[in-house]
Amino acid sequence: GAGVSQTPSNKVTEKGKYVELRCDPISGHTALYWYRQSLGQGPEFLIYFQGTGAADDSGLPNDRFFAVRPEGSVSTLKIQRTERGDSAVYLCASSLTGSGGYTFGSGTRLTVV
Amino acid sequence: GENVEQHPSTLSVQEGDSAVIKCTYSDSASNYFPWYKQELGKGPQLIIDIRSNVGEKKDQRIAVTLNKTAKHFSLHITETQPEDSAVYFCAASSRIGNEKLTFGTGTRLTIIP
Repeated sequence: GAGVSQTPSNKVTEKGKYVELRCDPISGHTALYWYRQSLGQGPEFLIYFQGTGAADDSGLPNDRFFAVRPEGSVSTLKIQRTERGDSAVYLCASSLTGSGGYTFGSGTRLTVV
Repeated sequence: GENVEQHPSTLSVQEGDSAVIKCTYSDSASNYFPWYKQELGKGPQLIIDIRSNVGEKKDQRIAVTLNKTAKHFSLHITETQPEDSAVYFCAASSRIGNEKLTFGTGTRLTIIP
């Protein structure tokens, strides 16, 4: 596609529930990133995929967070047993490795109530 | 790990004047420094970037300077226009291929017509 697409744009869930956030990267981009942005802060790195594999997952806060990219294109960020502190905008980005900066999607705003 | 500090947190500039935003970083191995512009409800958009082998880079009204010795870099916007109003983030990465960015906390720039 023309840009990075993230769905849903907004998600409200109850504490303790499971959520999945989807990212469609730019066609042909092999690198895919997930970041989390809290209100008034810069994005914080969560995980980086190169192809199908997670090359760096050091930013995932705990084992409730997991991400997959089974075919090297679409990625899903999964959050189990959501907590109110998980509320944030989750940003996905993609790039051609080594080509320069990322292209970000518009994000999914997750609200845990 | 890398730590990026950004200031000021807010900046108001008369239309037509220049704006300067400054960032410092802690990891001397960092070699890639992008700047992103974020408008309300959207993901960050790359506006300019610089690598550690270059001291300055310009793109029309936007320029970035890098001082590796002092570990700081700056964004300069000249002839500011109302559409320049947004939140600006600096970032740094020490990886080849810029896989993992550490962002500053952002500067809210307001252009006064």
